[in-house]
Amino acid sequence: QKEVEQDPGPLSVPEGAIVSLNCTYSNSAFQYFMWYRQYSRKGPELLMYTYSSGNKEDGRFTAQVDKSSKYISLFIRDSQPSDSATYLCAMSLPTQGGSEKLVFGKGTKLTVNP
Amino acid sequence: EPEVTQTPSHQVTQMGQEVILRCVPISNHLYFYWYRQILGQKVEFLVSFYNNEISEKSEIFDDQFSVERPDGSNFTLKIRSTKLEDSAMYFCATVGLAGFTDTQYFGPGTRLTVL
Repeated sequence: QKEVEQDPGPLSVPEGAIVSLNCTYSNSAFQYFMWYRQYSRKGPELLMYTYSSGNKEDGRFTAQVDKSSKYISLFIRDSQPSDSATYLCAMSLPTQGGSEKLVFGKGTKLTVNP
Repeated sequence: EPEVTQTPSHQVTQMGQEVILRCVPISNHLYFYWYRQILGQKVEFLVSFYNNEISEKSEIFDDQFSVERPDGSNFTLKIRSTKLEDSAMYFCATVGLAGFTDTQYFGPGTRLTVL
């Protein structure tokens, strides 16, 4: 079983729609849960991160974590064409050296149509 | 807003040649990372670096790879003898604080093409 699973899509929605992006994971040692946005041939850009189960809201974005089900979600309200990108879930894993490494999902490609 | 920068943006090299990818971390950040992303695949962890030492490395990070912080600012990834399968985007990431209270900020990446 892969550590982090994410449906690669592609996902196409009309402008103004609510978008739901999801990841599941298998490793209980994951500490932080993050969502990154990546435009074509660019670096991942951090959108949100959470630590505990529950919801965290930032503008039109809501991140949700359910540790009991090992399931995380990102909701985008009132989606805009500028939200078109690939969305990556990532989870942090402590390392022996005291740092953390990120384990990524494959990314979901989202297109918001005007 | 401070950002991580990387050079070059695109590097083309012949198989067997050495390449050095450079990263300038955010000032005062302490932890440094390299990740790579083969086209169409996941972003994968390569190595973490703290206090001038490798903290952890993945199985991808074999003897052909090395990292260093030669002048206290730049953070470099060297591939000694490139292979075709090293073609990928390479991302540098940095973190300010230890532990679980900070997150990794990524640079724009270097696209490495091995011919």
